[in-house]
Amino acid sequence: AQSVAQPEDQVNVAEGNPLTVKCTYSVSGNPYLFWYVQYPNRGLQFLLKYITGDNLVKGSYGFEAEFNKSQTSFHLKKPSALVSDSALYFCAVRDKSGGYNKLIFGAGTRLAVHP
Amino acid sequence: EADIYQTPRYLVIGTGKKITLECSQTMGHDKMYWYQQDPGMELHLIHYSYGVNSTEKGDLSSESTVSRIRTEHFPLTLESARPSHTSQYLCASSESGTGGDNQPQHFGDGTRLSIL
Repeated sequence: AQSVAQPEDQVNVAEGNPLTVKCTYSVSGNPYLFWYVQYPNRGLQFLLKYITGDNLVKGSYGFEAEFNKSQTSFHLKKPSALVSDSALYFCAVRDKSGGYNKLIFGAGTRLAVHP
Repeated sequence: EADIYQTPRYLVIGTGKKITLECSQTMGHDKMYWYQQDPGMELHLIHYSYGVNSTEKGDLSSESTVSRIRTEHFPLTLESARPSHTSQYLCASSESGTGGDNQPQHFGDGTRLSIL
């Protein structure tokens, strides 16, 4: 079965420090991977995606993610965290099983950036 | 900002009422989706559509129904609301066609539904 795992329920980081939000996946074939962010009382906002090519993907708001095929990981990173980055982050993978396309979301990781 | 709109944003209503949650997008996307999300928790796909007159059930069983009569409109209906339906409902859309599988889904801000 295809799946996505976000092993940390919450990540705490001080403002100005680098942050990493972890994601691992299990899919057959080449994965299409996505990161989304959700602020309180809002829908999900797309941050970045990996389809093919360079393993380091740059996205919105200074975020980037590194695709690692051998470790089946797609960790989200930012060199210097801001308090405004505090939100819920979801990793997702495109699922092509069953003859249709859909996204499989991880359980989410809450990022708390402290001043 | 993605042009996908959900109304109402919040709804508190009594048991047994018929409810329709509205979702509209102005991007001309063929694919549309409904997710159910308890606040701060993971998303569960409950319905999706590949285009006009196309609707399918998602992974999570839901007593709701959907329709897709127009490309831009994908309403979700609960015929008789129950407290177990209390949740947040998120609508999304995405492109189809060549490269469509690579495109992200665009989300509305959701409807937070509370059934008393």
